[in-house]
Amino acid sequence: DQQVKQNSPSLSVQEGRISILNCDYTNSMFDYFLWYKKYPAEGPTFLISISSIKDKNEDGRFTVFLNKSAKHLSLHIVPSQPGDSAVYFCAANYRGGADGLTFGKGTHLIIQP
Amino acid sequence: DTAVSQTPKYLVTQMGNDKSIKCEQNLGHDTMYWYKQDSKKFLKIMFSYNNKELIINETVPNRFSPKSPDKAHLNLHINSLELGDSAVYFCASSQGINEKLFFGSGTQLSVL
Repeated sequence: DQQVKQNSPSLSVQEGRISILNCDYTNSMFDYFLWYKKYPAEGPTFLISISSIKDKNEDGRFTVFLNKSAKHLSLHIVPSQPGDSAVYFCAANYRGGADGLTFGKGTHLIIQP
Repeated sequence: DTAVSQTPKYLVTQMGNDKSIKCEQNLGHDTMYWYKQDSKKFLKIMFSYNNKELIINETVPNRFSPKSPDKAHLNLHINSLELGDSAVYFCASSQGINEKLFFGSGTQLSVL
């Protein structure tokens, strides 16, 4: 039972344009959401997070949007750069519990020159 | 200085063998984890320790036994390895159970 879903296995975007990665979740208890970036042969690294009390969080070129009613979040990267090519994982948890983070399957973002 | 380090990076072994993967973090975190990334690319939590105490133990065969000698270390011992154990195993740490994770670079385990 996938509680966090990333339905696009891959996404190709031209350099300089906006990349939009999507994530859906089913567990209404989730109240903390994170995005991780992973390069080949490395561990995932934290990118940006958002609490359920907000609907937007911005950090430089990265913005995460949360739509609680739709149980949907998205990561916007603008402008996209070649170094952004990586696998992006969406993760979520319920901060009142003790289950740790639940991850999606990841989306492979490819930035084309 | 690597924040979360795990060894070895690659591990190739025969079915039936016993092997261990070591993990150390120098971030001063209280909580450590083992995650498994299988062939379908899902990252699934296996275990979590908080201050050397087991707090999460997902449905994992009892051939897998975590050991935490102190809060900076969480090792994973696997007995009687099977083909299906082939995966990438990631160690991670966080300040608390529901905080963001810092991952090691992973151990690619191949069981032949």
